[in-house]
Amino acid sequence: DGGITQSPKYLFRKEGQNVTLSCEQNLNHDAMYWYRQDPGQGLRLIYYSQIVNDFQKGDIAEGYSVSREKKESFPLTVTSAQKNPTAFYLCASTPTPNTGELFFGEGSRLTVL
Amino acid sequence: AQKITQTQPGMFVQEKEAVTLDCTYDTSDQSYGLFWYKQPSSGEMIFLIYQGSYDEQNATEGRYSLNFQKARKSANLVISASQLGDSAMYFCAMRPMDTGRRALTFGSGTRLQVQP
Repeated sequence: DGGITQSPKYLFRKEGQNVTLSCEQNLNHDAMYWYRQDPGQGLRLIYYSQIVNDFQKGDIAEGYSVSREKKESFPLTVTSAQKNPTAFYLCASTPTPNTGELFFGEGSRLTVL
Repeated sequence: AQKITQTQPGMFVQEKEAVTLDCTYDTSDQSYGLFWYKQPSSGEMIFLIYQGSYDEQNATEGRYSLNFQKARKSANLVISASQLGDSAMYFCAMRPMDTGRRALTFGSGTRLQVQP
């Protein structure tokens, strides 16, 4: 079945460590997005990519990095520079940048110990 | 810049009754889209309904309808005949459709609890 797969679902990390969250889609979508959600709050945009080999910073990009080497993959690295990385991370995609509806993965919950 | 405001942190509704979740927005874009998503406790984001800024009729999808008032910049979600499974967080979102950053901007959400 087509969809967006995020892994791992749960991740624990020690302070000072980098961690990479995987996002893979087999929908043949051009645009992909990473959002962060803190408890009881809305989603905030970290990074987005409208096409392969191109990506743009969102509202809270500091302490994060991404790559888009393949159309189907958009991994997010949470670096040690991110002050408060404990959060729920959601990856999404749309067929084209102009298409409205976002298709979401099931999310990755990161906890820093 | 775009901004979405959801002023109701939490709402209660009796099963089988209708409920309206408020959403106001601010944008300088002429062409934009408005969306509502549902997030159950499992965390997944479920798309509910879409309204384009140039659509003259209010969008409807089954028990969901969007009360779009462009002049007032509001896009309220109406859920008719509430069910226990409707208990969840609901997010209003928007994005420009022509130019600029074409990523969704989300509101802070409303937690809906349906009571039997």
